[in-house]
Amino acid sequence: DAKTTQPTSMDCAEGRAANLPCNHSTISGNEYVYWYRQIHSQGPQYIIHGLKNNETNEMASLIITEDRKSSTLILPHATLRDTAVYYCIVRANFGNEKLTFGTGTRLTIIP
Amino acid sequence: GAVVSQHPSWVICKSGTSVKIECRSLDFQATTMFWYRQFPKQSLMLMATSNEGSKATYEQGVEKDKFLINHASLTLSTLTVTSAHPEDSSFYICSASRLGRGLYEQYFGPGTRLTVT
Repeated sequence: DAKTTQPTSMDCAEGRAANLPCNHSTISGNEYVYWYRQIHSQGPQYIIHGLKNNETNEMASLIITEDRKSSTLILPHATLRDTAVYYCIVRANFGNEKLTFGTGTRLTIIP
Repeated sequence: GAVVSQHPSWVICKSGTSVKIECRSLDFQATTMFWYRQFPKQSLMLMATSNEGSKATYEQGVEKDKFLINHASLTLSTLTVTSAHPEDSSFYICSASRLGRGLYEQYFGPGTRLTVT
């Protein structure tokens, strides 16, 4: 799997949009970008994934650059419950490929 | 949908004993389940990939004779930590995979915290 680079930590004010960047400059054409988050002492939670088009669901939006070398996860209106470690993972879509977790970004929502 | 459970949620055992952790996909069938381990303030590390009806594939450095994995049905996989030692104390997390919208999607259990005394 291609490696990803994320900032170690970020703060965001409650109610504001949280923008979490991820660099994946060696991504291959058949690899998707996945985002998971892990709230303290819980299992990871799936957020969103995309290939090349921007994606939006009830949790977040995913913006992927045209060259696919980076992406941004956007939580539109952050709440205190969004405090977690956010993982950006690049994964091929052939077969049932494993997920390789990096160090992620520790997002803290500040009241 | 896509709920994965683990049992127990936490367990304390004495050094030298064995502990079994169950991972169940509650509302879907999972041909593949994955087992991860997470030490404090570290990321998840994949231990093994488990396919229903076949032997698990272990990651490099993971002792297959110490961490026994059984995937006897499409909804249940078990991880047994044999002869546990304090260094095996960790947060064990499973995930179950299903094919949806053309992609294999992984759903994670809530984790099991193992403390070996």
